[in-house]
Amino acid sequence: KNQVEQSPQSLIILEGKNCTLQCNYTVSPFSNLRWYKQDTGRGPVSLTIMTFSENTKSNGRYTATLDADTKQSSLHITASQLSDSASYICVVSGYSTLTFGKGTMLLVSP
Amino acid sequence: DTEVTQTPKHLVMGMTNKKSLKCEQHMGHRAMYWYKQKAKKPPELMFVYSYEKLSINESVPSRFSPECPNSSLLNLHLHALQPEDSALYLCASSPSGERTSGNTIYFGEGSWLTVV
Repeated sequence: KNQVEQSPQSLIILEGKNCTLQCNYTVSPFSNLRWYKQDTGRGPVSLTIMTFSENTKSNGRYTATLDADTKQSSLHITASQLSDSASYICVVSGYSTLTFGKGTMLLVSP
Repeated sequence: DTEVTQTPKHLVMGMTNKKSLKCEQHMGHRAMYWYKQKAKKPPELMFVYSYEKLSINESVPSRFSPECPNSSLLNLHLHALQPEDSALYLCASSPSGERTSGNTIYFGEGSWLTVV
């Protein structure tokens, strides 16, 4: 069964600090992995998308990594800002499936 | 323009009402989607339209009726809903079908639906 597991479930960090969110998946065959940011009550916004051959991709202060061998991805947020408070969702595509993780709720505290 | 626009943002309806949610994109995308999202849960796929034809219906009750009048518009007609249908309804689009490698799916802001 295709599954996407995210950890931690929730996280509180101080403004200015860095953090790393994890995503483990069992989707097979694998097509691509995306990270989305979803503010409360709003639609998800795409941060990064990576295919099998890509190990890392950056979007401003967000850097995603992918290890297709161990089926793990991480999203690193540098110098966090209050506006980074949101749910971060990992979404994995197979060739005929799209599986959402349950998200990590991040709260950046002043 | 990288936006998917949804209206209304908020909707309160009774169980006997008929209402519609609307979605619009002008990115030339040929696939459009409806998702339902309950609080603290990931989005759940409802329908996929590919080239204006319904390609996926994830066993959604008939009280939800999708319509794709043209390649830029997607509607979700609502009739005789139940309180448990209250949720955030997300419209999304992508250049081609969801199952295509490398596709980025763009989501709208969502329509908050409350059924009373």
